[in-house]
This record gives sequence, structure tokens and C-alpha cells, in this order.
Amino acid sequence: GNSVTQMEGPVTLSEEAFLTINCTYTATGYPSLFWYVQYPGEGLQLLLKATKADDKGSNKGFEATYRKETTSFHLEKGSVQVSDSAVYFCALRSGAAGNKLTFGGGTRVLVKP
Amino acid sequence: GAVVSQHPSWVICKSGTSVKIECRSLDFQATTMFWYRQFPKQSLMLMATSNEGSKATYEQGVEKDKFLINHASLTLSTLTVTSAHPEDSSFYICSASGTGQGSYNEQFFGPGTRLTVL
Repeated sequence: GNSVTQMEGPVTLSEEAFLTINCTYTATGYPSLFWYVQYPGEGLQLLLKATKADDKGSNKGFEATYRKETTSFHLEKGSVQVSDSAVYFCALRSGAAGNKLTFGGGTRVLVKP
Repeated sequence: GAVVSQHPSWVICKSGTSVKIECRSLDFQATTMFWYRQFPKQSLMLMATSNEGSKATYEQGVEKDKFLINHASLTLSTLTVTSAHPEDSSFYICSASGTGQGSYNEQFFGPGTRLTVL
């Protein structure tokens, strides 16, 4: 079946530091890949996505590249801000699974001023 | 566009009572709605998928008689937790996908409902 593995947190950083959150997946077929962000007390918001190999998703300074050869979709941001403190979820959607989303365990990121 | 709301945002109830949570798509027709459960500091667990006008499809291990899902219209789905117990306390999140919003099958998430059962 489908699965998503992402690095455990919490990740604590200083403002303007570089952020990487690793995400690898196992899936049948050719999944679409997503990063969602959840701010405290809120629901999930789509941060970025990629639908095919070598696609790069980007938004709000975050980037992730769909790497089929390594089955990875690592999230990166070059200079984080305090407002980036949140929980980040990597997810995949595969047509073979009825288009359901499969989520990773989430990574809590805390950015300190 | 593509806004999904949930009501209430939080609810506290006594053990043994039932609680209904509403999920609405405000500006699009949601042909499919999903209900998730999220435990503290954990990921989202899909509970069920519902298509408008059809019975919900529950994930393995989810009690359909305990978690009643109704998707009677293209803009509203409800989750009723029947005879709630403290172990049902959790954060419940819905999402919706439909025609004319985002890419095909893209899910838009509600803000969640925090249920506390005393």
C-alpha cells in the first residue's frame, strides 16, 4: 500500500536559517505529491504540490522537487521566519488508492527570533 | 475561492451524548467529502469518504454505527459522533473536493473541530 515517511520533529531553528524537511514515499503508480501546513489551532492548508516526476512545487519561499528515482519530495526554505512555525505534512495521492490522500506523520517546526 | 467551513469549531459534551459536526463548502459544489481524525501531535487518519447522495465508505477499523456520516447535498456533510466517550475526544477535520475548483480531485480542508468528551 501507499505510505509516506517524513522526518520526526520537532525542528527548532533560528530566524533566517535554512530549513529542510525530508519526505520519502512508497506508492503504486504515479502519485501526486503535496506539502500541507497546519498552523496552531487551524486546519491544513495546501503549501505546494507536484504532479509528475521532476516537477518543482513552490510557494511562499518553500520548494520541493518530485524525485522519482529516490521516491522523495523534500521541503526546503532558504530563510525561515517566525511565522513559519507550524506543523508540515507530506502527502501523496494515488489514483490506484481511489484518490485518497495518504499523510506522513507531520514535522513540527519552531522558528525562534 | 474553495473555502470549507466547519461548525462548531470546538465542542465539549458529556459522555453518552451525541455530537454533530457540520462541514460546508461555501463557494463550490463538493461532490466528495472526507472526514479525518487527528490525535495530538499526530498525523491525520482518514475515517471515511462520502459522495453526495451515497452512503459513506468507511476506512478499516472505523465504526460506522458510531461515526454517522451524511452527505445529503453538494455543500453539506455532517459527522455525528454517537454515544460519545472520552476516547472519542480528538480534532476532527473535513475536506472537500468538487467540480470547478482547483485541479481535479484536489482536497480543500476545513479548519477542524475540537471535540472534548467529559
